[in-house]
Amino acid sequence: EPEVTQTPSHQVTQMGQEVILRCVPISNHLYFYWYRQILGQKVEFLVSFYNNEISEKSEIFDDQFSVERPDGSNFTLKIRSTKLEDSAMYFCASNPQGAAGNTIYFGEGSWLTVV
Amino acid sequence: GQNIDQPTEMTATEGAIVQINCTYQTSGFNGLFWYQQHAGEAPTFLSYNVLDGLEEKGRFSSFLSRSKGYSYLLLKELQMKDSASYLCAVRDRTGNQFYFGTGTSLTVIP
Repeated sequence: EPEVTQTPSHQVTQMGQEVILRCVPISNHLYFYWYRQILGQKVEFLVSFYNNEISEKSEIFDDQFSVERPDGSNFTLKIRSTKLEDSAMYFCASNPQGAAGNTIYFGEGSWLTVV
Repeated sequence: GQNIDQPTEMTATEGAIVQINCTYQTSGFNGLFWYQQHAGEAPTFLSYNVLDGLEEKGRFSSFLSRSKGYSYLLLKELQMKDSASYLCAVRDRTGNQFYFGTGTSLTVIP
């Protein structure tokens, strides 16, 4: 069964460094998302992406964050100048049809630890 | 704004039935979803309601009342492996965003 894949599964970075989290959505899906989950807290929406541009973003997704689809398969989340509070699990997700689709499919997550 | 409420924790006995409630107040609505999440893993899709009523999928059922902003997930014949966090999520009108509750941590005991 097709699945969303994410790399790396774990990353430790020093405060102030830049990180790039990578995702390969399911191949025929058109809508892509990034969510984050701080340990013990709820899953929070960061950004949605469709047709090579951001369709919606949350208050969390400020200038420190950016997303890119550099080729036909990858979908990346870049976090600049990381802070301690950026430590979280970051989930990529995809959806074939947006509002008409039944659900979104999550990757296994990238656990980011900022030290 | 978006407000989705679930109980924080529940405990139930193996073989029993448990109902996990979710209430929501959102500015738009285009479906309510239930996900299961084991610790350190990704949420996995369980069920989806967009119209009022009950949807049944094997041991899992989900109910929705849009007028009351209320849903529940019903788990029957509980198994130890059902111990997990259960997330209620509302999809907004555009379909672009899913808003999650804080999750209900279910512990199944022998």
